[in-house]
Amino acid sequence: ETGVTQSPTHLIKTRGQQVTLRCSSQSGHNTVSWYQQALGQGPQFIFQYYREEENGRGNFPPRFSGLQFPNYSSELNVNALELDDSALYLCASSPRFPGANVLTFGAGSRLTVL
Amino acid sequence: RKEVEQDPGPFNVPEGATVAFNCTYSNSASQSFFWYRQDCRKEPKLLMSVYSSGNEDGRFTAQLNRASQYISLLIRDSKLSDSATYLCVVIPYNNNDMRFGAGTRLTVKP
Repeated sequence: ETGVTQSPTHLIKTRGQQVTLRCSSQSGHNTVSWYQQALGQGPQFIFQYYREEENGRGNFPPRFSGLQFPNYSSELNVNALELDDSALYLCASSPRFPGANVLTFGAGSRLTVL
Repeated sequence: RKEVEQDPGPFNVPEGATVAFNCTYSNSASQSFFWYRQDCRKEPKLLMSVYSSGNEDGRFTAQLNRASQYISLLIRDSKLSDSATYLCVVIPYNNNDMRFGAGTRLTVKP
């Protein structure tokens, strides 16, 4: 059974650019959530996808958007990058909705915005 | 007031010590509670769920006090490998997402 995989693991962008982060959910999981973790802080909920639809959103602006594909993999897109977007972006999958106690995290994508 | 608050620490304890972490949450309608562990530059991993009756898993004991909106984690006989950040997690009622505290950092020294 493969776990949650994320790509890229590290990337550097400049202010104003756009970024796409990718996540492959664990086998058998159909729900994907994205979190942003700034240095020294706990993860903050961005949004969740279930059956290719957004199913809950945290306090993030519309320039944070996402997709879920038929194979349950997901993308997080961030437009017009700001310096404060520098963080570890974590993807987590679960086998059912809401199923939080079996949330499995990927290793994350570390984004640096210069 | 933050939705989930933890003492950030750091807690520096010798091997074999007993250490306790506390967490408070603001939403009285919260329904589920967990402790996650996060090693440096790694992803969070579920340590244990927290139940009103209290629950124990080896050296780890978790307690929930709904009246005081308070969660605790007790680690007995600390090991070097317990060094990590411990994240308190709450799921609000009728909600899809997990709300994380900022984490409490523990360092266990020889």
